[in-house]
Amino acid sequence: EVHLVESGGGLVQPGGSLRLSCVASEISFSDYWMTWVRQAPGKGLEWVANINQDGSEKSYADSVKGRFTISRDNAKNSLFLQVNSLRAEDTAVYYCARGSVGYCSGGICYDVAFDIWGQGTTVTVSS
Amino acid sequence: SYELTQPLSVSVAPGQTARITCGGNNIGSQNVNWYQQKPGQAPILVIYRGPNRPSGIPERFSGSNSGNTATLTITRAHAGDEADYYCQVWDINTAQFGGGTKLTVL
Repeated sequence: EVHLVESGGGLVQPGGSLRLSCVASEISFSDYWMTWVRQAPGKGLEWVANINQDGSEKSYADSVKGRFTISRDNAKNSLFLQVNSLRAEDTAVYYCARGSVGYCSGGICYDVAFDIWGQGTTVTVSS
Repeated sequence: SYELTQPLSVSVAPGQTARITCGGNNIGSQNVNWYQQKPGQAPILVIYRGPNRPSGIPERFSGSNSGNTATLTITRAHAGDEADYYCQVWDINTAQFGGGTKLTVL
């Protein structure tokens, strides 16, 4: 059974930074898109960022663009999210999830579903 | 960005059928995924790319999609189905979630 385990969350002051990590317990980690999704207290799911299998394609939600950076280390089955210039509205549980791709054509992949999720790591931005 | 609209809440009597909708412009032309999230837990995928169920998800869960509405249907609902449900679509390397629907079985 595949597991994803996040770490790196914590309490940080506005303007601060954190590096979130997600380690996968499977040797085929490099075959999958990976994503970060967050959930503010009492709110719904918000997609944050995606990265493709080799790290050459990255996408970000407008709310985090320019402040967050997604990356991966396939040799270590690890996914990362560097979060900078944190704001109170970034307070949330951050989940990593594995992306199962429907198909790819012309360098674009379609119909990605998030089939495995970690338990999340909590980021609290407060002074 | 592509917007997905879900009702805030749906109620169903035990043993009856619950239908949770997800509205979006011409969503019938897209594959829709559905997630279940119980309090304090991570989401789990219950329907993917339209009508497909991951292994371990009961046949009581099904998905359909036409026009501007996608629907998650849960037959023979019971208390264990109480959760928040989210629809999701993929749009050129980005993902969009609906706002979520709280299902109450009462």
